[in-house]
Amino acid sequence: DSGVTQTPKHLITATGQRVTLRCSPRSGDLSVYWYQQSLDQGLQFLIQYYNGEERAKGNILERFSAQQFPDLHSELNLSSLELGDSALYFCASSVIGGDSPLHFGNGTRLTVT
Amino acid sequence: GESVGLHLPTLSVQEGDNSIINCAYSNSASDYFIWYKQESGKGPQFIIDIRSNMDKRQGQRVTVLLNKTVKHLSLQIAATQPGDSAVYFCAEDWGGSQGNLIFGKGTKLSVKP
Repeated sequence: DSGVTQTPKHLITATGQRVTLRCSPRSGDLSVYWYQQSLDQGLQFLIQYYNGEERAKGNILERFSAQQFPDLHSELNLSSLELGDSALYFCASSVIGGDSPLHFGNGTRLTVT
Repeated sequence: GESVGLHLPTLSVQEGDNSIINCAYSNSASDYFIWYKQESGKGPQFIIDIRSNMDKRQGQRVTVLLNKTVKHLSLQIAATQPGDSAVYFCAEDWGGSQGNLIFGKGTKLSVKP
């Protein structure tokens, strides 16, 4: 068990809808990362937060947004969903923002129908 | 190129044999590297890491080798067991304070009893 908790485990929704994925980092970790894993793109970095502030952005669509709250949990919001957004979404956390391993949760499987 | 899923490179080994999984990383400025193991239905699990000032690092039954000249990373697993069957990813940290990792496409390890 990595100590990173993600909810929900599965999410099925329709095109055009909006969903929120939730992540609780490991105790003591200040940095939270979101990754998307799809069959044809592998693990893609989306966005990182450190102690409540956005630190880095990857290939995150404008329809997607995230935030990290004062208690350090994070939420990833996906809106105007398309079929191609179906994927596994992973949250990871680390103590600091570099040169330390990321610890991953077990992901949220999003299916857009 | 290869990708996770249908086109994932596969390594098949006999139980008890040693396994070597290779990875070519992309950025010569990367200074930190990690190997992850991902089992079906789970998030990537940290195995071992190495910094760019090292050539080799050993863990329990695993060894990581880094060749910066050719931007090559390898993971050696000694006495491979059925429980080692999974997809293995190498990841590189491009440096800086962000800490977001760039993942390779993955290799599927299949251990035959």
